[in-house]
Amino acid sequence: QSALTQPASVSGSPGQSITISCTGTSSDVGSYNLVSWYQQHPGKAPKLMIYEVSKRPSGVSNRFSGSKSGNTASLTISGLQAEDEADYYCCSYAGSSHVVFGGGTKLTVL
Amino acid sequence: QVQLVQSGAEVKKPGSSVKVSCKASGGTFSSYTISWVRQAPGQGLEWMGRIIPILGIANYAQKFQGRVTITADKSTSTAYMELSSLRSEDTAVYYCAREKMATIDYWGQGTLVTVSS
Repeated sequence: QSALTQPASVSGSPGQSITISCTGTSSDVGSYNLVSWYQQHPGKAPKLMIYEVSKRPSGVSNRFSGSKSGNTASLTISGLQAEDEADYYCCSYAGSSHVVFGGGTKLTVL
Repeated sequence: QVQLVQSGAEVKKPGSSVKVSCKASGGTFSSYTISWVRQAPGQGLEWMGRIIPILGIANYAQKFQGRVTITADKSTSTAYMELSSLRSEDTAVYYCAREKMATIDYWGQGTLVTVSS
């Protein structure tokens, strides 16, 4: 399985909105509503931000939202804050009990 | 509250093997799926494989087939990941995680494995 494709970096100013894309294939993202997103700060374990495309775990800010169209999933962060600066990874179920991650996107808050 | 506690850092020689443990507490271990994910220095997350302890069935990413073995001991609520034929590119932090259909809600603290001669 090939990694899902994410932009290497995105940036935005405080208060703005940004969107991170995650492109897979018809064998993973396109076939299942089982895409999740993780935030990772340096030296820390990843944290679940979105699951099953658009669901938010308890405790995650409603500034984070997810969507999917075809083979591409997206994470949108609205009202950017300095603390949102981190690496973000998408993840998809790929069938046959396999999972695949995206390459990661570094978010810089200007 | 689920907790996953991993074994400590390891330094290994090229060609050798490493076995990392992941002890779970909270919840019902047998009903989990435990996945192993690694992260090389400065690189992204990479899924290696998973096991369903209640069934003892493991699945592996194609990249690691033949080199990785994931097992689980229900009596001690502990999962294990063994990686053989180590090379320098295997230097990474290895995470165990509770995973269900590509949703990972709990992560271990990570175990740094360094492969160096």
